Amino acid sequence: NAGVTQTPKFRILKIGQSMTLQCTQDMNHNYMYWYRQDPGMGLKLIYYSVGAGITDKGEVPNGYNVSRSTTEDFPLRLELAAPSQTSVYFCASLKGSGTEAFFGQGTRLTVV
Amino acid sequence: EDQVTQSPEALRLQEGESSSLNCSYTVSGLRGLFWYRQDPGKGPEFLFTLYSAGEEKEKERLKATLTKKESFLHITAPKPEDSATYLCAVRPVPYNTDKLIFGTGTRLQVFP
Repeated sequence: NAGVTQTPKFRILKIGQSMTLQCTQDMNHNYMYWYRQDPGMGLKLIYYSVGAGITDKGEVPNGYNVSRSTTEDFPLRLELAAPSQTSVYFCASLKGSGTEAFFGQGTRLTVV
Repeated sequence: EDQVTQSPEALRLQEGESSSLNCSYTVSGLRGLFWYRQDPGKGPEFLFTLYSAGEEKEKERLKATLTKKESFLHITAPKPEDSATYLCAVRPVPYNTDKLIFGTGTRLQVFP
């Protein structure tokens, strides 16, 4: 199993550009999450999904969108990138209630 | 409001010098406390899950304990390869979303 795979690993965007961060998992996990990690701030939840076709907002959803058309994939869309979205983004998944979360290696995004 | 606080923010230890990291939490109900290790440029890696006060888990030089208000990660005779950021996260009730609330982490450096 590859686990949770994120692409790209690094990206530089100009202000106002859009992009999609890809996340796929091959563990048949129902629950998937997107977090952002800023220096000294811990991980903040952006969006999450408890199954295909179901998504909901986390703590910091503004400026982002998600979709969950399959169990495996959970892409994160940034529309009109802003410098405040410069961060490291992590995708995570877990099988079911009470189990541990598995994280991808992260996408480091810089908006200039 | 659900909250997780970790201390200290940073810790420097000599190889072999044992110490403890603290994670205090305020949640309406706890459905699990998780410890993760994060190396620079990598995603968090799962270490332990604790579910009830009095529970303990061990792995090599690490031992995690849980009370009703806090958790400790004890590091016995650390080695330089234990250097990393250690993250604590809680899963509060209700459990249907399985959201994790993270602390800001403790950055551990172990010197030979």
